[in-house]
Amino acid sequence: DGGITQSPKYLFRKEGQNVTLSCEQNLNHDAMYWYRQDPGQGLRLIYYSQIVNDFQKGDIAEGYSVSREKKESFPLTVTSAQKNPTAFYLCASSMGGPAFNSPLHFGNGTRLTVT
Amino acid sequence: KQEVTQIPAALSVPEGENLVLNCSFTDSAIYNLQWFRQDPGKGLTSLLLIQSSQREQTSGRLNASLDKSSGRSTLYIAASQPGDSATYLCAVPTGNQFYFGTGTSLTVIP
Repeated sequence: DGGITQSPKYLFRKEGQNVTLSCEQNLNHDAMYWYRQDPGQGLRLIYYSQIVNDFQKGDIAEGYSVSREKKESFPLTVTSAQKNPTAFYLCASSMGGPAFNSPLHFGNGTRLTVT
Repeated sequence: KQEVTQIPAALSVPEGENLVLNCSFTDSAIYNLQWFRQDPGKGLTSLLLIQSSQREQTSGRLNASLDKSSGRSTLYIAASQPGDSATYLCAVPTGNQFYFGTGTSLTVIP
């Protein structure tokens, strides 16, 4: 079955440590996205990539980094510079960018807790 | 910048009732509008995508309508069931981003 796999489901880290969240898709989608979801707030875009080896900052990129070395993979690193990293992180993909007019698909998320 | 609003934030209905969820957006230059369902602690599941040129789209007990000129969409759920309890979000792609509402949390009471 095609889909998006995020791992791990739960992640616990101490303050000051970097942590990497995995996102893999087998939908052959060109575009991939990382969102952050906090209670009572809408999804906020962290980074997106419309093609391999290229990515763009979203609205809240500070303290995060990404790479897109393979079409199917878009890992997100939460660095120690992120002031409030505890949140639910969602990875998504679509066939092309927003103007491509194709549905957005989501993984099941990673809940990160930093203490 | 596109702003997406969903009202009400929460809704509780008895089983079997028909209901309507609302989504409004400020910029009508959208490519489509997508409705999602999110269960607690899970990702978003796509329910319906309605193209900007369409007026409505149906899937089973769900019917989504779109009035682009007025910046509104509705999601109609017929004969609600307890399994429909979830948060429903709408999303609109505008420019090079997707913009999301904060969702309506629906509880269907048996």
